[in-house]
Amino acid sequence: NAGVMQNPRHLVRRRGQEARLRCSPMKGHSHVYWYRQLPEEGLKFMVYLQKENIIDESGMPKERFSAEFPKEGPSILRIQQVVRGDSAAYFCASSPGARGIGNTIYFGEGSWLTVV
Amino acid sequence: GQQVMQIPQYQHVQEGEDFTTYCNSSTTLSNIQWYKQRPGGHPVFLIQLVKSGEVKKQKRLTFQFGEAKKNSSLHITATQTTDVGTYFCAGSHQAGTALIFGKGTTLSVSS
Repeated sequence: NAGVMQNPRHLVRRRGQEARLRCSPMKGHSHVYWYRQLPEEGLKFMVYLQKENIIDESGMPKERFSAEFPKEGPSILRIQQVVRGDSAAYFCASSPGARGIGNTIYFGEGSWLTVV
Repeated sequence: GQQVMQIPQYQHVQEGEDFTTYCNSSTTLSNIQWYKQRPGGHPVFLIQLVKSGEVKKQKRLTFQFGEAKKNSSLHITATQTTDVGTYFCAGSHQAGTALIFGKGTTLSVSS
């Protein structure tokens, strides 16, 4: 029973390039969350998605960042024109139902983005 | 914005000593969850507390949720080197809203 799968685990991009991070939720889970973790910091909520729907993107930067969770395939977090400040660990999590009491979210192993 | 504060940021103990981390919110939380992240690893869910004054135990770990549902604590009795990592609390101010994470307490244990 595979957990939340993220790839790539490590990604290096030059400033100005695009980064695409992928996340496949746990089997049976239809809710996906993306969090960003900077060194020595906690996890910052970015976006919450269901299949084909963005439910809450209140934590997403207004520019350059986008996320999707298509009907088929993994969820993708896309960062355009990356800057050094985007260097961080990006964690995806999933849950079987809508977020709320009783619905634990399970984290993937993260994707570490380094912008050089 | 709404924040969840966690103290201390770092704690070093000798193996066998106890350890406590505290989590505080300025507003009432609908629930609080605790996670552990090992160095280089990902957050792993430990427990969820929902009720006012709730206390739950997992072996040497004791979790409490305050009466006012604004604070929580995690206490580890007789720490072991396997307890090393960063412990995060995360709370929701309203059911169904985003989990807000504290900055975590990083525990180091020397034998």
